[in-house]
Amino acid sequence: SQQGEEDPQALSIQEGENATMNCSYKTSINNLQWYRQNSGRGLVHLILIRSNEREKHSGRLRVTLDTSKKSSSLLITASRAADTASYFCATSPLGMDSSYKLIFGSGTRLLVRP
Amino acid sequence: ETGVTQSPTHLIKTRGQQVTLRCSSQSGHNTVSWYQQALGQGPQFIFQYYREEENGRGNFPPRFSGLQFPNYSSELNVNALELDDSALYLCASSFRGGAEQFFGPGTRLTVL
Repeated sequence: SQQGEEDPQALSIQEGENATMNCSYKTSINNLQWYRQNSGRGLVHLILIRSNEREKHSGRLRVTLDTSKKSSSLLITASRAADTASYFCATSPLGMDSSYKLIFGSGTRLLVRP
Repeated sequence: ETGVTQSPTHLIKTRGQQVTLRCSSQSGHNTVSWYQQALGQGPQFIFQYYREEENGRGNFPPRFSGLQFPNYSSELNVNALELDDSALYLCASSFRGGAEQFFGPGTRLTVL
């Protein structure tokens, strides 16, 4: 079963606009990570935020985490056509080794139109 | 540094057959995890191996089994294939205790 749900399921924006994706999860976590997947191939790690962090930045990415609401958001600023991909949040359940299983959401499909 | 590799890229089998998928971990990583990703869904955890032993399992039947070798490479074996086993199978390697998992490109399995 999936741990979380991403919202929206699909997002279409113009190049240069910002894209915001949300993730909700069910159980307490060690950390939350965001991955990108192009064309149904391997997952690329984007950013990790630990349960005691509230916000993190990496380049054009900004991630927030609200553990009281069990939710996270991923913001991609100044989007490019190359950002077109599926984006997944993944949680590491609290109480388990942090390299233990990741529980993925159902993903957001992002289309950036040139 | 070599990333995670998987073979084969694509595979077509018929129902009832058996399949073996292979994964080479990223250099220095001692833990390997396998995930199944059905079309349009997020990956689901199958199991994890550490020091050649299963270190946790998701909600998958015993016909899904695995091995980890001393060089930390790994195999996923699926017996008695069913149509619903058609999916992308992803391997991920990591350090024990490390939070980030590094994924391979996946093997696309089609069961007819």
